[in-house]
Amino acid sequence: DVKVTQSSRYLVKRTGEKVFLECVQDMDHENMFWYRQDPGLGLRLIYFSYDVKMKEKGDIPEGYSVSREKKERFSLILESASTNQTSMYLCASKGTDPLNYGYTFGSGTRLTVV
Amino acid sequence: GDSVTQREGPVTLSEEAFLTINCTYTATGYPSLFWYVQYPGEGLQLLLKATKADDKGSNKGFEATYRKETTSFHLEKGSVQVSDSAVYFCALSDTGANSKLTFGKGITLSVRP
Repeated sequence: DVKVTQSSRYLVKRTGEKVFLECVQDMDHENMFWYRQDPGLGLRLIYFSYDVKMKEKGDIPEGYSVSREKKERFSLILESASTNQTSMYLCASKGTDPLNYGYTFGSGTRLTVV
Repeated sequence: GDSVTQREGPVTLSEEAFLTINCTYTATGYPSLFWYVQYPGEGLQLLLKATKADDKGSNKGFEATYRKETTSFHLEKGSVQVSDSAVYFCALSDTGANSKLTFGKGITLSVRP
């Protein structure tokens, strides 16, 4: 089974801290994604990456950056955490095999910024 | 841009009731359509999908048919169980190699014994 692993299930950080959320996938997928999930708003795309060292802004990139130095790892960075970034963060990956456009999600990281 | 619209929630049903959750979409081209489910305290799981018009996706008693003429992908189940209580998300993705998922806002389903 494809696995997408997010390093932390719960995180509590202080306002102004630099925060790193890590995501690792084990199926050699080219595409990786970061979403945030908020009640009543669904999942919104923050950033995505089609290949190593490539990144594209999603719908809500403000206040975030990403890093993809290796194919299997996609990091989300909150440069200076704020309380409005308290949320559930979900990572996903997808291969480019046209016979199997499957997305696989990690279990999520619930971040609280105090 | 692409978008997905789900009905406002939450929805509360009695066990064995019939379920319909509406989903409509706006997209250019011919997207693939998905239903994802999130059980309490868990991550997102693919429930079913359909990749072209008139396809029917099905899984665990749930069904949804890709209706291009009405741009809809409504989720149905004939008899819900308490264990179906979860949040349900409709989503679409274009079919290019570098596609991405666009989600609806999700709807919470609670099933009473």
